[in-house]
Amino acid sequence: DGGITQSPKYLFRKEGQNVTLSCEQNLNHDAMYWYRQDPGQGLRLIYYSQIVNDFQKGDIAEGYSVSREKKESFPLTVTSAQKNPTAFYLCASGGRELFFGEGSRLTVL
Amino acid sequence: AQKVTQAQTEISVVEKEDVTLDCVYETRDTTYYLFWYKQPPSGELVFLIRRNSFDEQNEISGRYSWNFQKSTSSFNFTITASQVVDSAVYFCALSAFSSNTGKLIFGQGTTLQVKP
Repeated sequence: DGGITQSPKYLFRKEGQNVTLSCEQNLNHDAMYWYRQDPGQGLRLIYYSQIVNDFQKGDIAEGYSVSREKKESFPLTVTSAQKNPTAFYLCASGGRELFFGEGSRLTVL
Repeated sequence: AQKVTQAQTEISVVEKEDVTLDCVYETRDTTYYLFWYKQPPSGELVFLIRRNSFDEQNEISGRYSWNFQKSTSSFNFTITASQVVDSAVYFCALSAFSSNTGKLIFGQGTTLQVKP
């Protein structure tokens, strides 16, 4: 089936550790996005990529990094510099209509 | 600056009731897109509708209908004869009228609970 696959679904991290969230799509979309969801705040854009080997910062990029080496993959690294990383992270692809994965819930212990 | 406001944090209705979810937006752009997405308990957002700013016709899709009023900067969503399966978080969103409409500004979301 076509869609967006995010892994892991749940992730626990100790303070000071980097963690990488995986996002894979088989929809042949050029553009991919990472959003962060916090309770009561809706979704906010972290990074996006419109083409392989290129990406741009979104509204809340500090403490995050991404890569886009393949069209299908857009991993997000939450670095130790991210001061409040506990959140629900959603990956999406597409353009005029976005397709979302089921999300990764990161908890910092 | 662009902003989307969904003033209703939570709504609870009984099955078969009609319910309207409010969305008010702010933008300085003369052309833009508006969206509604549904987030069921599984977590992924599901696209419901996209409306461009120069098309103010209301739209109906089954039990769903959308009322776009540019004069009041509102894009409200009505579910007629609600069902338990409609229980979810609903997001209104705004994007610029450009090639990259995946850059969305989301509202805070409205949690809808439909009780049997």
